[in-house]
Amino acid sequence: DAGVTQSPTHLIKTRGQQVTLRCSPKSGHDTVSWYQQALGQGPQFIFQYYEEEERQRGNFPDRFSGHQFPNYSSELNVNALLLGDSALYLCASSRRLFTGELFFGEGSRLTVL
Amino acid sequence: TQLLEQSPQFLSIQEGENLTVYCNSSSVFSSLQWYRQEPGEGPVLLVTVVTGGEVKKLKRLTFQFGDARKDSSLHITAAQPGDTGLYLCGRPGANNLFFGTGTRLTVIP
Repeated sequence: DAGVTQSPTHLIKTRGQQVTLRCSPKSGHDTVSWYQQALGQGPQFIFQYYEEEERQRGNFPDRFSGHQFPNYSSELNVNALLLGDSALYLCASSRRLFTGELFFGEGSRLTVL
Repeated sequence: TQLLEQSPQFLSIQEGENLTVYCNSSSVFSSLQWYRQEPGEGPVLLVTVVTGGEVKKLKRLTFQFGDARKDSSLHITAAQPGDTGLYLCGRPGANNLFFGTGTRLTVIP
């Protein structure tokens, strides 16, 4: 039973560039949530996708956008990268929005220089 | 935003010691979850507490939900190096989960 998979695991970008991160949810899950985790902090909720629509959004600017595909996989896009966007980006999957447990991937560590 | 404050932020102890970490808020929650995140991994659910005053045990870990459902604690007995990680409390929102600030635990062999 495949768990949540994310790619790439590490990447380095420069200020002003754009980045796309990818996530495949756990088998049987249809909902994907994205979190940003700064070093030493708890994960901060970015947004959630269900039925190919953004259902909820945290306090993040429009530079952060996403997409969900018919196979439930998802992408997180960040435009005009800032140094402060350097973080671990975690993808979490669940069923029918949220039924009590989130399953997380190992994350994509983004460094912005 | 209903903040979840965790304390202490960092904790370094010797193998075999006991410890308690806390998760506090000014708001009442319907339930609260604890996750552990090991280095290089995503968070993994340890427990969900729902009822005020509830106590749940998971081997050497004891979780308690405050009577007023505004706070929770995690007690570890005889800590082992494998307990090292970031401990996160999380409150369910509208179909999602919001996390606290985290306690980073290091258990020294």
